[in-house]
Amino acid sequence: QQQVKQSPQSLIVQKGGISIINCAYENTAFDYFPWYQQFPGKGPALLIAIRPDVSEKKEGRFTISFNKSAKQFSLHIMDSQPGDSATYFCAASTRGSTLGRLYFGRGTQLTVWP
Amino acid sequence: NAGVTQTPKFQVLKTGQSMTLQCAQDMNHNSMYWYRQDPGMGLRLIYYSASEGTTDKGEVPNGYNVSRLNKREFSLRLESAAPSQTSVYFCASLPRTGVNSPLHFGNGTRLTVT
Repeated sequence: QQQVKQSPQSLIVQKGGISIINCAYENTAFDYFPWYQQFPGKGPALLIAIRPDVSEKKEGRFTISFNKSAKQFSLHIMDSQPGDSATYFCAASTRGSTLGRLYFGRGTQLTVWP
Repeated sequence: NAGVTQTPKFQVLKTGQSMTLQCAQDMNHNSMYWYRQDPGMGLRLIYYSASEGTTDKGEVPNGYNVSRLNKREFSLRLESAAPSQTSVYFCASLPRTGVNSPLHFGNGTRLTVT
């Protein structure tokens, strides 16, 4: 059973547009929600993360929006660039366990075309 | 600073063969992890080691064994490979638990079992 559900599976955005990837979870014990970015042939790398005590976190062009009551969170990439083309994974973990024990979504392949 | 190093990068096995995937980190991290990545499935935790001398099962441990050889090294062994174990395997490490530290991933081992 997928603990974190991610959509869409793939996304094509024009350069300069906004990319939005959505995730949902059921386990209310989750309290750490990172997003990882992965380029072909490489391992995932942390992009941005949020805890449920805030509703939004912004780092440059990347923003996480978090809705605790709906158990949903999303990644917004503003002014999308061709260099943002990659696979994005949302994930979740619980405070009581090691933070490295992450439950990942299935990934979104983002293509930004010029 | 190499980070997390995985060997080999590629491997082809026949059904029933055994092999060990090697992982080493040079960041003095306490915790280490093995994930597998399958198309459309995201990353799933196989085994992890929260600290030197301890190992625990993740979501999909069947068919695998691990050894935390020392603080730097964490190996994953397939005793009798099956086609269902065809995947990309990622090793990751974390400085310590309970803090907002990102997982550091290696670049993966691409394993094909025929």
